[in-house]
Amino acid sequence: GENVEQHPSTLSVQEGDSAVIKCTYSDSASNYFPWYKQELGKRPQLIIDIRSNVGEKKDQRIAVTLNKTAKHFSLHITETQPEDSAVYFCAVGGQAGTALIFGKGTTLSVSS
Amino acid sequence: EAQVTQNPRYLITVTGKKLTVTCSQNMNHEYMSWYRQDPGLGLRQIYYSMNVEVTDKGDVPEGYKVSRKEKRNFPLILESPSPNQTSLYFCASRLGGVLGEQFFGPGTRLTVL
Repeated sequence: GENVEQHPSTLSVQEGDSAVIKCTYSDSASNYFPWYKQELGKRPQLIIDIRSNVGEKKDQRIAVTLNKTAKHFSLHITETQPEDSAVYFCAVGGQAGTALIFGKGTTLSVSS
Repeated sequence: EAQVTQNPRYLITVTGKKLTVTCSQNMNHEYMSWYRQDPGLGLRQIYYSMNVEVTDKGDVPEGYKVSRKEKRNFPLILESPSPNQTSLYFCASRLGGVLGEQFFGPGTRLTVL
């Protein structure tokens, strides 16, 4: 089955710096790559996703890049703010109706 | 308002006392699933359902049961809870295809003594 590795597990940055979180996956048939943000005590919520026919997608300060050949994708957050502090999960999906497999999460801390 | 709801939100129980955590969604989603979240282990899928009367095991199904008699409801049943099932549980739903947003419920904090 699919295996998703997420790194780093913790990341501390100064406000205004960039943050990058990387995930690798094993199944070359996977074609959907979402990122979820979970604030303390809250539920995970989708912040951005990318499909396998796209290499990069941006939404204001966040972007996701996908390298299907190498089987990895990354979340980029620019100009970080304290409210970006949260746990971020990558996930990988394949054929319709199959499960989303989540990485173990990255705890991002942004200090001002 | 489109949402996934879970009840109860917090539960403290004792070993062996059967319990049910309810999950309901009002978005007419075909796909529903249950996850448990433990520190350092991320979100691990317990069971999922692709439609009414169709359920399947996820990565950590031992000690859990589910049923999907109606499209909107997907209860999680612990027939004989044990302390290692102490965890934060999330229900989630999405449209039938995988290429779309998965919506999570607010979570249920379960402690088994």
